[in-house]
Amino acid sequence: DTGVSQNPRHKITKRGQNVTFRCDPISEHNRLYWYRQTLGQGPEFLTYFQNEAQLEKSRLLSDRFSAERPKGSFSTLEIQRTEQGDSAMYLCASSPSPGGSGEKLFFGSGTQLSVL
Amino acid sequence: GENVEQHPSTLSVQEGDSAVIKCTYSDSASNYFPWYKQELGKRPQLIIDIRSNVGEKKDQRIAVTLNKTAKHFSLHITETQPEDSAVYFCAASSGAGGTSYGKLTFGQGTILTVHP
Repeated sequence: DTGVSQNPRHKITKRGQNVTFRCDPISEHNRLYWYRQTLGQGPEFLTYFQNEAQLEKSRLLSDRFSAERPKGSFSTLEIQRTEQGDSAMYLCASSPSPGGSGEKLFFGSGTQLSVL
Repeated sequence: GENVEQHPSTLSVQEGDSAVIKCTYSDSASNYFPWYKQELGKRPQLIIDIRSNVGEKKDQRIAVTLNKTAKHFSLHITETQPEDSAVYFCAASSGAGGTSYGKLTFGQGTILTVHP
């Protein structure tokens, strides 16, 4: 599968624990996005990288959340001191360079986080 | 920021009927409008998109129309089939270049059920 890959698919954790998710975008895509989706809602934008630079962060992204894309390839999203309200599907997406089809986002299958 | 409203939240049709889902957006600067289909437990997949310089776009049984003046756009599915059953999300973006490229604001989703 040459699409966007996310690991793990499911994560169950206790409140207060830290969790980290990984996203491997489509190899030629230099833009990478994190979204969060709760049941019955559309995805909500969290943050965006162009290569290794984090260019935009949503106000939804509290200081407990941090994302990195150290070499401009894969990305990690870490949530510290998890809360029950963090339970959601965390989706990663990537897109090609600007111009042409650069706006088309290709999503991964997501990581479903459950905080007990 | 952008706000996207989507209606209806659920839609039930008989196989062969047409289905129409409508979205309104608030930011007049938005210029890219994709539609995603998400089957249960799977990733959102782009099915069709339209840019603000086009009023209508069609791809086989799927069409999207855009009214920039009224700030609304619609998804039309003709000759529906059971495999069309899924959640459909509209989205809007004002990112024609610049750092907000790919920052989509999604609607709340429409659960489409096509009965055989």
